[in-house]
Amino acid sequence: DAGVIQSPRHEVTEMGQEVTLRCKPISGHNSLFWYRQTMMRGLELLIYFNNNVPIDDSGMPEDRFSAKMPNASFSTLKIQPSEPRDSAVYFCASRPSKNTGELFFGEGSRLTVL
Amino acid sequence: AQSVTQLDSQVPVFEEAPVELRCNYSSSVSVYLFWYVQYPNQGLQLLLKYLSGSTLVESINGFEAEFNKSQTSFHLRKPSVHISDTAEYFCAVSSWGSQGNLIFGKGTKLSVKP
Repeated sequence: DAGVIQSPRHEVTEMGQEVTLRCKPISGHNSLFWYRQTMMRGLELLIYFNNNVPIDDSGMPEDRFSAKMPNASFSTLKIQPSEPRDSAVYFCASRPSKNTGELFFGEGSRLTVL
Repeated sequence: AQSVTQLDSQVPVFEEAPVELRCNYSSSVSVYLFWYVQYPNQGLQLLLKYLSGSTLVESINGFEAEFNKSQTSFHLRKPSVHISDTAEYFCAVSSWGSQGNLIFGKGTKLSVKP
């Protein structure tokens, strides 16, 4: 079975540019999570969705960040405009409806903002 | 509110030595507990989990963890480590029946030296 699929795996961009990260959760999973991982802060939850509805976005750093989940099989995390401090690895994870808390992670998108 | 504390940020050990990675949690309700492993340049993978039943849980590659409710701990152990166990290990907790997210500790980097 396909796991959580993220794209792009690597992105290098210049400050001020728009960045869009994409995620396809595991089919049948009804919750989706976006995390950011940096050396300084570790793993931070940015936002999560249940049944395509954003439940908690308190971890989104600021208005430059936005996330959408237009349907059960796709989500985007957008940064506009990007800044060097946004450089990190962004992980998407999904969770099945039978909730035991276990998350299934994608391989991550490594973002470098110059 | 729940929280997870991993006391050791880095643990260096020699190959074939035993290792223990410590994890303590706080929660006012019953919990599920997890250990995830992250190999370099990869996403997080579930290593083992405690949902209910036997307090000692094992992984397929020789790790084990014991849920200790009185000490609110879920320490990870392996009697003899391999070079290939070098990775970062994350302890995580979620509450029973919660639609909320998984709370992660800050991670412990295990470095196995020959």
